[in-house]
Amino acid sequence: QQQVKQSPQSLIVQKGGIPIINCAYENTAFDYFPWYQQFPGKGPALLIAIRPDVSEKKEGRFTISFNKSAKQFSLHIMDSQPGDSATYFCAARLAAGSYQLTFGKGTKLSVIP
Amino acid sequence: GAVVSQHPSRVICKSGTSVKIECRSLDFQATTMFWYRQFPKQSLMLMATSNEGSKATYEQGVEKDKFLINHASLTLSTLTVTSAHPEDSSFYICSVASTEQFFGPGTRLTVL
Repeated sequence: QQQVKQSPQSLIVQKGGIPIINCAYENTAFDYFPWYQQFPGKGPALLIAIRPDVSEKKEGRFTISFNKSAKQFSLHIMDSQPGDSATYFCAARLAAGSYQLTFGKGTKLSVIP
Repeated sequence: GAVVSQHPSRVICKSGTSVKIECRSLDFQATTMFWYRQFPKQSLMLMATSNEGSKATYEQGVEKDKFLINHASLTLSTLTVTSAHPEDSSFYICSVASTEQFFGPGTRLTVL
């Protein structure tokens, strides 16, 4: 059972475009939703994260939008650059002190010049 | 955030041998570390939760006698793949649980 569904599987945008990656979850016990960026052959790096009491969070060119009632959240990358080409994973963490994450399947983003 | 290192970054071994991968937390005393496996073009699959001073907790379907985890100190956890086979070839990544999960750079294991 996949608890966090991520789409699309891959995405190609031109430089300056705004790629949007979507995730949906079922378990309402999740209370923390991070996004990770992974370059080939490297470990994932935390990009930005949000809690369900906030509808939007922005850090630099990266924005998370969160819809608690729909149990969906998305990552927007403003003014995308070729250097943003990577695989992006959404994740969810259960409350009650657990650090364990449930990951989406990932989205491979390619930003073409 | 926590800085995490892994050693080695790449290892090639023969089938039947054992391989040890180290995960170090360089600036944080980690009571909990996680070990993941990632196959090409796939997501991270949690293998086990490593707890300092106690036995690791393995996810369903992960053989604890094949993937030995030792978390002997607050800065070091090791994963030993015993009697490795070609199907164990994968990218192994550890993470440290502090305020977030911070990941190491990964270890590419190739079993010939």
